[in-house]
Amino acid sequence: DQQVKQNSPSLSVQEGRISILNCDYTNSMFDYFLWYKKYPAEGPTFLISISSIKDKNEDGRFTVFLNKSAKHLSLHIVPSQPGDSAVYFCAAYFGGGADGLTFGKGTHLIIQP
Amino acid sequence: KAGVTQTPRYLIKTRGQQVTLSCSPISGHRSVSWYQQTPGQGLQFLFEYFSETQRNKGNFPGRFSGRQFSNSRSEMNVSTLELGDSALYLCASSLLSIAGTYNEQFFGPGTRLTVL
Repeated sequence: DQQVKQNSPSLSVQEGRISILNCDYTNSMFDYFLWYKKYPAEGPTFLISISSIKDKNEDGRFTVFLNKSAKHLSLHIVPSQPGDSAVYFCAAYFGGGADGLTFGKGTHLIIQP
Repeated sequence: KAGVTQTPRYLIKTRGQQVTLSCSPISGHRSVSWYQQTPGQGLQFLFEYFSETQRNKGNFPGRFSGRQFSNSRSEMNVSTLELGDSALYLCASSLLSIAGTYNEQFFGPGTRLTVL
């Protein structure tokens, strides 16, 4: 049973527009959430994170929103740039568990010129 | 500062063989975690080593094992390879253990293992 789900395998957005990537989770014990970006032939690189005690975290063009009641988080990228084309992974962490990071299956974001 | 390095980058083995993958963490990092990435299951946590001790373990069979050396370098071993073990194996290093409190993990480029 997947505890972290990214229901959109791919997303196409025009350059300059907003990209919104979504992630749902089922385990209410998760206390930390992260987004990673992955280019082909490279490992995932950390993008932005949010603690479960917050509902929003911003870093430049990237904002993550957390809705605990809906067990949903989203990543907003504004404005979208060609270099943002990559696979984005949502990940969750539970401090009392033993599973490291639990990842979603990823969303392939394609920024069109 | 050099990043996380993994060797080899690509590997082809046949069913029944065993394989050892290597990971060198960022200098000063003492925790190394291993993940398996497959198209069907996505990225899944295998185990974490910190100070030469396994701290966490994911839901994988005993054929998957690892160890960590005193210089924090880690190796992962898979015995009796199966076709389903074909995957990208990623290691991630962090300053401290991720057991109990999250510490930012930095990923290596991965080792692509193909089992024929």
